[in-house]
Amino acid sequence: ETGVTQTPRHLVMGMTNKKSLKCEQHLGHNAMYWYKQSAKKPLELMFVYSLEERVENNSVPSRFSPECPNSSHLFLHLHTLQPEDSALYLCASSQKGQANSPLHFGNGTRLTVT
Amino acid sequence: RKEVEQDPGPFNVPEGATVAFNCTYSNSASQSFFWYRQDCRKEPKLLMSVYSSGNEDGRFTAQLNRASQYISLLIRDSKLSDSATYLCVVNRVTGGGNKLTFGTGTQLKVEL
Repeated sequence: ETGVTQTPRHLVMGMTNKKSLKCEQHLGHNAMYWYKQSAKKPLELMFVYSLEERVENNSVPSRFSPECPNSSHLFLHLHTLQPEDSALYLCASSQKGQANSPLHFGNGTRLTVT
Repeated sequence: RKEVEQDPGPFNVPEGATVAFNCTYSNSASQSFFWYRQDCRKEPKLLMSVYSSGNEDGRFTAQLNRASQYISLLIRDSKLSDSATYLCVVNRVTGGGNKLTFGTGTQLKVEL
């Protein structure tokens, strides 16, 4: 298996549920990212992990909690979400510090909060 | 001012047409640049990097003007399969790693 894989592809959850999104990369990269894409808006960077250390947290509400146990895996734990959190959540990886290293995206989790 | 600005379109063009997309960025410290393509309800995929001297990949040509902080993408001989949203992406390397900023995208519809 190659590239960046995300599970699940689709997720419907109620506002009181707790769920987790999973991302795995097989590219040997050392930086991983969570992005949110809402309709008609640009991709919004949520979190960046570099060498398993969180280096960026873009004022994301605490109901989103990332976890990076190693350089190949990234999780986004969700709890007590709001309907406006419904969006496409994209994981990506790249090589830290290399300016010409593009992001490689997973196929995303389409989240619906009811 | 947005850090990366693109005309959202849509651009509706006939098959075989040549179409050009423009992008401007505000941070002069930006170091590298990319064009991504995103199909409806799919993840963005790298189309091409943009190099200072300009670069070509088949029907696609990318140009960079650092002085004007401007990037362009030219698509020649458009195909129906080129219909997608094209995202301009600007990168800065910071202490924490790569900071990539995405434009809102330009939608292209190629028609018969």
